[in-house]
Amino acid sequence: DTEVTQTPKHLVMGMTNKKSLKCEQHMGHRAMYWYKQKAKKPPELMFVYSYEKLSINESVPSRFSPECPNSSLLNLHLHALQPEDSALYLCASSQVTLFKREEKVKQYFGPGTRLTVT
Amino acid sequence: DAKTTQPNSMESNEEEPVHLPCNHSTISGTDYIHWYRQLPSQGPEYVIHGLTSNVNNRMASLAIAEDRKSSTLILHRATLRDAAVYYCILVSSNTGKLIFGQGTTLQVKP
Repeated sequence: DTEVTQTPKHLVMGMTNKKSLKCEQHMGHRAMYWYKQKAKKPPELMFVYSYEKLSINESVPSRFSPECPNSSLLNLHLHALQPEDSALYLCASSQVTLFKREEKVKQYFGPGTRLTVT
Repeated sequence: DAKTTQPNSMESNEEEPVHLPCNHSTISGTDYIHWYRQLPSQGPEYVIHGLTSNVNNRMASLAIAEDRKSSTLILHRATLRDAAVYYCILVSSNTGKLIFGQGTTLQVKP
């Protein structure tokens, strides 16, 4: 099973709402990622988790709050978002291994959640 | 993070080979060359990666210049399903971070 699943597929929320995006993988990967992709633009890295601990935060505003409750699950909690935060949010995962470092960098992506902030 | 330069768009005819170029003159010794593609309405998909030697897999081939400052992704027989944005990415084996450039939009004509 090489699938990364994301729910919901689409989400519309107001600027005062609180919502969460969910990502799940069952490949035994211990690194998980959140990316943001605006229309016609490449994905931009937001967060990296390694062994359930946040290892990279690419200076993302605090209205985005990631959480990794276990090795298979990654959440992105959203609060007080702005219309410019509307985008496709992509989750990815990869192996973490001491002996084959190059395997760490092969990432498997989910289909994304299309977020619209009104 | 080292950057890559790719043409914005390319066209190909179905069942013909396609060569997608990528320049990465600031590549460091620990950077792997990765290619991902993103089909419409989907997340990116890993295609191939290499360090120094040319690589082949069931999807494509990767030709790496001897000085590693450029590489070429080769699709041997393009199909309509290969129409996508192709990203050439330098990935540090230390961080594992994927920093996407603008990519090349490949159109495949029947």
